[in-house]
Amino acid sequence: AAGVIQSPRHLIKEKRETATLKCYPIPRHDTVYWYQQGPGQDPQFLISFYEKMQSDKGSIPDRFSAQQFSDYHSELNMSSLELGDSALYFCASSSTQSESSYNEQFFGPGTRLTVL
Amino acid sequence: QKEVEQDPGPLSVPEGAIVSLNCTYSNSAFQYFMWYRQYSRKGPELLMYTYSSGNKEDGRFTAQVDKSSKYISLFIRDSQPSDSATYLCAMSVGTGGFKTIFGAGTRLFVKA
Repeated sequence: AAGVIQSPRHLIKEKRETATLKCYPIPRHDTVYWYQQGPGQDPQFLISFYEKMQSDKGSIPDRFSAQQFSDYHSELNMSSLELGDSALYFCASSSTQSESSYNEQFFGPGTRLTVL
Repeated sequence: QKEVEQDPGPLSVPEGAIVSLNCTYSNSAFQYFMWYRQYSRKGPELLMYTYSSGNKEDGRFTAQVDKSSKYISLFIRDSQPSDSATYLCAMSVGTGGFKTIFGAGTRLFVKA
């Protein structure tokens, strides 16, 4: 079965640079979520999109922005990178076909961002 | 105080033991309770999903939710070395809310 695809898997950037992370949800999933997971920490919810509209927002810095496109893939844009942005960034997707499937998030393998 | 509290462990048990993992929470609006397993350098994988209070069993795994105590548990029977991973509880309010709050995760080691 197809899973959530994230690219790139690894990214190294310098301070103040910009990074773009991409997420391709499972086919027919209409909701995408972004999480940030620091070393030894739990995933922190950043933002979610449903049918290409922002549906919920968590602890996402103003330097970050995200969108969901017509093909349901999503991109997380991160500008003015700081050392503290180094983390694993996960994308997850779910389907709103039913109340149960809507809460079942399937996670991608993550993008490991290192800011030097 | 975090909305979801989970002991980070580590928890070390011998193979075949019954493992008990727990989370407490403060937001009484949570209705959906999930357990994820995360191996090192991998994304979380959904293990169990429960709506409201009650028990749910799937193979060697049993999830329990006690909304009156704001307490959820995951039991693993006949634990195997391959169960060694970090187990994260997660919760959401459900309808109208997409935000999912995760616990800190408990690192589990099952020794052969």
